[in-house]
Amino acid sequence: GQQLNQSPQSMFIQEGEDVSMNCTSSSIFNTWLWYKQDPGEGPVLLIALYKAGELTSNGRLTAQFGITRKDSFLNISASIPSDVGIYFCAGPGSSNTGKLIFGQGTTLQVKP
Amino acid sequence: GAGVSQSPSNKVTEKGKDVELRCDPISGHTALYWYRQSLGQGLEFLIYFQGNSAPDKSGLPSDRFSAERTGGSVSTLTIQRTQQEDSAVYLCASSFTATNEKLFFGSGTQLSVL
Repeated sequence: GQQLNQSPQSMFIQEGEDVSMNCTSSSIFNTWLWYKQDPGEGPVLLIALYKAGELTSNGRLTAQFGITRKDSFLNISASIPSDVGIYFCAGPGSSNTGKLIFGQGTTLQVKP
Repeated sequence: GAGVSQSPSNKVTEKGKDVELRCDPISGHTALYWYRQSLGQGLEFLIYFQGNSAPDKSGLPSDRFSAERTGGSVSTLTIQRTQQEDSAVYLCASSFTATNEKLFFGSGTQLSVL
């Protein structure tokens, strides 16, 4: 079945540093979504991407939809302590519904 | 409501007991989803509803798991004869329609089976 692989699994960085994480798929996705999960909460949608090559920003976050449609990247600039959490990439399965396939997540820790 | 509401937030139960988890979606959202998140893992799809019907139940792990939705609103996920491997966070999400991939999640129910 379809799978999403995220890397790195975890990151421990200094406040102010930039962060980059990525997500790759064994098959083509038509939509890429990036979610963030704070401890004890459900995931919150950060960015949605709908077109190959698309680059979208949300504040200090920038995400790109890979040209091959098999990968996506999320960058966070000038990290701050509240960026701590788990970042998930996700994409719709073959049914093109909210039945999403999620990556395993990248855990980000920021040292003040 | 303003967001997706789940109850209880935490549930501790003994192996073999039945549990019911409740989800109240965002008002006006016709699609509702249940996911499971095991410790340190990504989210695993269980079932989704469009209105009161469940077009896709393929993620339910066994026949001990069932879900229903009434009135196009509240949903309950029932786990019968709980096992220790059922311990996880059960997340509910809703979206405006089933073809809209932008899901809004609740805070989840942390289920611990002793």
